[in-house]
Amino acid sequence: QVQLQESGPGLLKPSQTLFLSCTVSGASVSKTGFSWSWIRQHPQKGLEWIGTVYYSGTTYYEASLKSRATIYIDRSLNQFFLRLTSVTAADTAVYYCAKDRFFGGNSPFDLWGQGTLVTVSS
Amino acid sequence: DIQMTQSPSTLSASVGGLVTITCRASQTINTWLAWYQQSPGRAPKLLIYKASILEVGVPSRFSGSGSGTEFTLTITSLQPDDFATYYCQQYNSSPWTFGQGTKVEV
Repeated sequence: QVQLQESGPGLLKPSQTLFLSCTVSGASVSKTGFSWSWIRQHPQKGLEWIGTVYYSGTTYYEASLKSRATIYIDRSLNQFFLRLTSVTAADTAVYYCAKDRFFGGNSPFDLWGQGTLVTVSS
Repeated sequence: DIQMTQSPSTLSASVGGLVTITCRASQTINTWLAWYQQSPGRAPKLLIYKASILEVGVPSRFSGSGSGTEFTLTITSLQPDDFATYYCQQYNSSPWTFGQGTKVEV
């Protein structure tokens, strides 16, 4: 049974860099055919896809975040990560890691972590 | 980007009742649509994908239909656990986008 668990700092100041990790159990992040995503949910608002990393390390990002976001895999740790630079209050959200149902792009998200709240405040 | 619009934003229902939620896409997405359920403090849960395919383990009282730009999620015989917020999501073309949500309340 595949499970995902996010971890992160909780509180950041504006202009700092956010690092989040997602620990995957029950599957290998580098197994052929798997892809993994980050999604966030602003307080009392809807859901926003941030980006996706394939098992191979190939990445895709939402255009408005592409200049600040980096998603990558660490095979030895069986984790994948989100790095988001120059955060502002607008980045305050619950961040979820998720598994894509299918490989190759056209896929819903079939497994989600529990989410981690990130607050950006001075 | 493809905009997803759900209606209504909130609806009131009763246990045992029937609920219908509509999701409209700003351009055609064929049947590349998913529905999620989110309870307070929990992550979204995939209910339906490709517009009408029920995810494994999801009760058969949930059903989805539609294609192109208009889609529907129907819940029959509403159960207490079904009072939650429901989101549609298109995965026809990147960036993958979600509707704003429909809260089903008592």
